Amino acid sequence: TQLLEQSPQFLSIQEGENLTVYCNSSSVFSSLQWYRQEPGEGPVLLVTVVTGGEVKKLKRLTFQFGDARKDSSLHITAAQPGDTGLYLCAGARVGGSNYKLTFGKGTLLTVNP
Amino acid sequence: NAGVTQTPKFQVLKTGQSMTLQCAQDMNHNSMYWYRQDPGMGLRLIYYSASEGTTDKGEVPNGYNVSRLNKREFSLRLESAAPSQTSVYFCASSPRATKDSGNTIYFGEGSWLTVV
Repeated sequence: TQLLEQSPQFLSIQEGENLTVYCNSSSVFSSLQWYRQEPGEGPVLLVTVVTGGEVKKLKRLTFQFGDARKDSSLHITAAQPGDTGLYLCAGARVGGSNYKLTFGKGTLLTVNP
Repeated sequence: NAGVTQTPKFQVLKTGQSMTLQCAQDMNHNSMYWYRQDPGMGLRLIYYSASEGTTDKGEVPNGYNVSRLNKREFSLRLESAAPSQTSVYFCASSPRATKDSGNTIYFGEGSWLTVV
């Protein structure tokens, strides 16, 4: 059983469209991070959320941490081809080791010009 | 600022051969990690070092050994490579985790390893 379920697994959209990807769990997390990974490179941190209900914005990207700290979403407004990549969520479970982050399998986003 | 640097970038091994993946970080981070990434499996933690002088097993440690040489360097060794160890390996580091910042991981660019 995957601790962090990401959906959808694959998403192909046209430039200018909006999209939301989800990261869900039955466990509570003390913090949750979102990363973007481009082909041939390592994941790069986008944001960390630590407070239930927290919303953070990074230009056209909006990240939300669920009130119960079990889930998170990433919304992209007016997607651009440069947003193409694998989006990963990762979290540290409450009561677990801060060092043993759990990663979801990712959402592979393709934005077509 | 180089961040996390890992070598080699690409390697082909024969079954049973040994090799060491090297990793160094210049961000003065306390913690370092080795992950592997496989299609359909996501990123899985092999070993980590919470601080200099300590190492601990992650989710998939079998077939691997690690050495935290100093605060900067953390190496991963495959003693007898197997085809199941064909993967992309990522070294990573993080500063001390806090309540406000969580534990933020900074990744290297990856090492592509093929075992034939």
